Amino acid sequence: SYELTQPLSVSVALGQTARITCGGNNIGSKNVHWYQQKPGQAPVLVIYRDSNRPSGIPERFSGSNSGNTATLTISRAQAGDEADYYCQVWDSSTAMVFGGGTKLTVL
Amino acid sequence: EVQLVESGGGLVQPGGSLRLSCAASGFTFSSYWMSWVRQAPGKGLEWVANIKQDGSEKYYVDSVKGRFTISRDNAKNSLYLQMNSLRAEDTAVYYCARVIVVVEMHDYYMDVWGKGTTVTVSS
Repeated sequence: SYELTQPLSVSVALGQTARITCGGNNIGSKNVHWYQQKPGQAPVLVIYRDSNRPSGIPERFSGSNSGNTATLTISRAQAGDEADYYCQVWDSSTAMVFGGGTKLTVL
Repeated sequence: EVQLVESGGGLVQPGGSLRLSCAASGFTFSSYWMSWVRQAPGKGLEWVANIKQDGSEKYYVDSVKGRFTISRDNAKNSLYLQMNSLRAEDTAVYYCARVIVVVEMHDYYMDVWGKGTTVTVSS
C-alpha cells in the first residue's frame, strides 16, 4: 500500500514562510492535493494538482511536487493560517490516501 | 451555494448498525463522484468509500469492506453510508465530500466537504 509521510508539526514566525512536506515513493509522478483543517471545522481544499489554488484561496498558498517530496508553502504566514494540513494522492493499489497531517503553529 | 449536509450520526453499541445520509444542494449531484471520509477523535483523515455518478462503481478502504455500503439516490440528491457490524474503531466524525475525478490523469480529490456527523460506537 502507498504511504504518505508528513511532519507532525511545523512552526513559523508571523509573516515568515512555512513549508510543509509530504513524502512518498516517487510522489512526483502523482497529483498531490492539500487540505487545511481548523479545529472543529471540516477540511478545506487549498491546493489541487500539486500547485493549483481553488478560487478564494490566497496567493500566499502555493505547492510543488518533485521526486519523493511534495511541499505546501505558505508565504507571509498569518495567525489565521494555524491549522492542520493534510496531503492526499490517489494510488491504484490504495485508492485515496491521506498523509498523517501536520499541525502548523504561527508564533 | 454548493452545500453538503450530513445526518444520521449517533451513539450505537458494538455490533450495531447506522445509516448516514448526506443531502447535496447547489450543484448537479448526479454529475459527480462522491466520497465518505472519517476522522477518529484526535486523529487524521481517513478515506472510507467512493461512488461513481451512476452508482455503478464503488470502492472501500479495506477496514470497512463487507461491513459498510455506500449508495446514492440522484433523484433525491442524496448520498448514504450504511454501516453494519460497527466496532469501537469506527468511532469518528464522518464527512461527505464531492470528488473531482480525472480518470486519465489518475486524479481524485475532494473539492467540497460537509460539516460532518459524529458516530460513537460504545457500550
